[in-house]
Amino acid sequence: KAGVTQTPRYLIKTRGQQVTLSCSPISGHRSVSWYQQTPGQGLQFLFEYFSETQRNKGNFPGRFSGRQFSNSRSEMNVSTLELGDSALYLCASSFSLREGEKLFFGSGTQLSVL
Amino acid sequence: SQQGEEDPQALSIQEGENATMNCSYKTSINNLQWYRQNSGRGLVHLILIRSNEREKHSGRLRVTLDTSKKSSSLLITASRAADTASYFCATDGGGADGLTFGKGTHLIIQP
Repeated sequence: KAGVTQTPRYLIKTRGQQVTLSCSPISGHRSVSWYQQTPGQGLQFLFEYFSETQRNKGNFPGRFSGRQFSNSRSEMNVSTLELGDSALYLCASSFSLREGEKLFFGSGTQLSVL
Repeated sequence: SQQGEEDPQALSIQEGENATMNCSYKTSINNLQWYRQNSGRGLVHLILIRSNEREKHSGRLRVTLDTSKKSSSLLITASRAADTASYFCATDGGGADGLTFGKGTHLIIQP
C-alpha cells in the first residue's frame, strides 16, 4: 500500500505570491490533516478534513485555506505569501477521526518564501 | 500553542546505551503519542498510550505516562545508529486543535 504522497517536495516562491500544496492520503483513509513545521514554532496544526468537510482548524490567518476532494485527496493554499510562511508543510492521513487513530505522515513540502 | 515540552532538547549517547526522553504537557489528554522524524522528513508513529494506561512496550520502546504529573517518558533500549532522529511527543486532548506536538528531542547515536 502506497504511503502519503505530497507534491511538490520543494517550492520557492516570492512574497505576495500564492501557493497550492497537494496531498494524496493512503488508500482508504478518509481523514487528512495538515501541519506547519518551523524551527522556531515547531509543529503546528493547520486544519483537518474528513469526507470533504473541514472538521477542525488551527490558529492560522485566513490566508491559509484547504479543501478535500471526494477521493480524499487534499490541497492547501496559502495566499499573499509572507517570509514567515517558509516552513515544512506536512500532511497526515488516518482512516477515521476516532480517538487514538495514529497519523501517517507524508515527507512534506519544503516551502521557501524569498 | 505547544502542549508538550520534551526534555532534553538534544541527547548524544553511544550505540548500545539506553536513551530516555521526557515530555511534559499542560492540560488533560485522551492519549499521548510519540513520533520519530528523520532529517526534516515526515513523522513516523512509534507508540500510543492512553490516559488510563501507565506503561506500554513495543519492541525496544517503553513508554510511561503519569497523568498526575502530566508527564511521559520514552525509553529506547540498546540504541542503534539508525535511531538517530528527532523524537516528538504529541497529545490528543479530544478538542478541535488536532494533535499538539512538543518541540522534540534530537537524539544522536554515536557509533
